[in-house]
Amino acid sequence: SAVISQKPSRDICQRGTSLTIQCQVDSQVTMMFWYRQQPGQSLTLIATANQGSEATYESGFVIDKFPISRPNLTFSTLTVSNMSPEDSSIYLCSVGDADSNQPQHFGDGTRLSIL
Amino acid sequence: AQSVAQPEDQVNVAEGNPLTVKCTYSVSGNPYLFWYVQYPNRGLQFLLKYITGDNLVKGSYGFEAEFNKSQTSFHLKKPSALVSDSALYFCAVRDIPGNTPLVFGKGTRLSVIA
Repeated sequence: SAVISQKPSRDICQRGTSLTIQCQVDSQVTMMFWYRQQPGQSLTLIATANQGSEATYESGFVIDKFPISRPNLTFSTLTVSNMSPEDSSIYLCSVGDADSNQPQHFGDGTRLSIL
Repeated sequence: AQSVAQPEDQVNVAEGNPLTVKCTYSVSGNPYLFWYVQYPNRGLQFLLKYITGDNLVKGSYGFEAEFNKSQTSFHLKKPSALVSDSALYFCAVRDIPGNTPLVFGKGTRLSVIA
């Protein structure tokens, strides 16, 4: 399975600032996804990162707040903009294959705390 | 729309006893079902999947899961629990073939007591 590296692994940020999270995969992948895991809760899909085009956002998430880049088939970034304490979460990068029989694989996540 | 329910927030079991973590699903077509485990400060690790075929599927670390179409369930099981199995377990589903992301249940925290 693909090896996924996420940076930073954790950060503490001031409200009103922005943070960019990087996701690097050791092989080319078709699909890349960004999830949010709020404390004590399940994973919520933020968006699907599409190579060469705009990301596809889920209901409740907008590009201005969570801009995403995917310049190639092995790399993506998620920016959390104008952060507030409600943005304190774990952000997870996940990759998938075009074959729906295959599982998605996850990075170790970025643990973000907003003061 | 597809959805997953994990009715238990927490499951406690003594070491050496069998364990079951419950999952039920709702899909419009045929389900593709997955179990993941999350250890502290780590991402999700894939345990096993059901796509088609034998209703009992075996996965990593001695875990298995039983697919029951009539009950729309996919419970995770292990014959003999270890303390190291203590973690957060997620059930996930996909019902549309292709490049669609998984939908996850809320998770069940398993605590194995020595």
